[in-house]
Formats: sequence, structure tokens, C-alpha cells
Amino acid sequence: EAQVTQNPRYLITVTGKKLTVTCSQNMNHEYMSWYRQDPGLGLRQIYYSMNVEVTDKGDVPEGYKVSRKEKRNFPLILESPSPNQTSLYFCASSKGTGYTDTQYFGPGTRLTVL
Amino acid sequence: AQSVTQPDIHITVSEGASLELRCNYSYGATPYLFWYVQSPGQGLQLLLKYFSGDTLVQGIKGFEAEFKRSQSSFNLRKPSVHWSDAAEYFCAVDPPRFGNEKLTFGTGTRLTIIP
Repeated sequence: EAQVTQNPRYLITVTGKKLTVTCSQNMNHEYMSWYRQDPGLGLRQIYYSMNVEVTDKGDVPEGYKVSRKEKRNFPLILESPSPNQTSLYFCASSKGTGYTDTQYFGPGTRLTVL
Repeated sequence: AQSVTQPDIHITVSEGASLELRCNYSYGATPYLFWYVQSPGQGLQLLLKYFSGDTLVQGIKGFEAEFKRSQSSFNLRKPSVHWSDAAEYFCAVDPPRFGNEKLTFGTGTRLTIIP
């Protein structure tokens, strides 16, 4: 089954404790992206990757890192999480960035930073 | 500033009634337009999209949307809603100079269906 998977689905952590949220897709997609969703703000893009070893900032990259060493994986790293990073995070992927390429979203990771 | 607005935070509709969700955008040129649905506990799923051509776009699950350039709108409609349509709906835009990597989402409209 074609899908985007994220782990963990739920995470409670404390301020300053480094964490990684994994994202994996099995569709051989070149493009991957991370979003955060906050009430009243919709989804905002954190980082995206056009291909392996190619990443770029989205609209809200501060406090986050990403890497794209393999085509299928695009982990989101919070080196020193803070409470304002408490949010619902979505990973997405698409075949390319053409206008006909549909983005497929993962199920989300709900992160709470205490 | 470029933006996309969904003026209705929450809408309640009776099952079987018609539905219209509003979306307005503010861009210098006509962007590419999308509607996504997020069911409870799920990721987002694309309902439909508009790039050019016929301004009435058909999507999945019986949804359609109409692009109106004069009103800078891309409203989502369904003639008869089902209880399974209860979800959150997001309008998204993509400025024409970018590819799909620069989607900007509205704040969402939560749809409640009552029997």
C-alpha cells in the first residue's frame, strides 16, 4: 500500500531534550515536506526537500533541522525543543513539484513539549 | 501580503443538506488552488485542484469547487452531505512562480454534520 508513515504518532517530552520524528514514504517520491498545524493557523511549512541531499526552508524553520540522506526518509529533528513547538506535525511527499503532482500526507505526529 | 482566507471557522449542516465552504485568496496573479480534507486523526487528503481551464472543478467524494477570478474565490460545494463528510477542510494556494513545494494553507473550516 502506498503510504507516508510517521513515528512516533504521539510524543510528550521536556524542554531541551533532543528528539527526532521520522518520516518514510514507499512511493519513490522525490519531493518531501514537513508542516506543523496549530489551531487558527492552519498548516505551515517547516522544511522541504526536492531530492536527496537537497533541502530548503519553508515558512517556519526556526528550531528545526532536517536531513535527506535517502530518498524514502525525511526525518525532522528538534535539537532543543521548546514549549512553542508543541504542535501537530505532518510529513508529506509527492512525485515531483509539478502542478499535477499530488502531495500525500502522513497521519501526523502530536508533539507536546513541557 | 499574499494570503488565503477561510472566513468560516466552523459550519454545521444537516445530513442531506447542501454545503458551501468559502475560500478567498490574495495574490497578484491567479495561483493554483487546492482543497484538502482532514478526517479526525488522519492526515490531509486532496479533494480537488484547479490550475486553468474550466472554472468548475470536480473532485472526489462528490465535491466540486468553482473558481471565480472576479471574486478571488474558490468555494467548495457538495449538493448533499453525508455524515462521513464531517471533517476539517483546508483551502490551499500555490503561487504560479513556484512548483507544488510552496503550498500555503488557509486556517481551515471544521464541518459538523447533524442528523
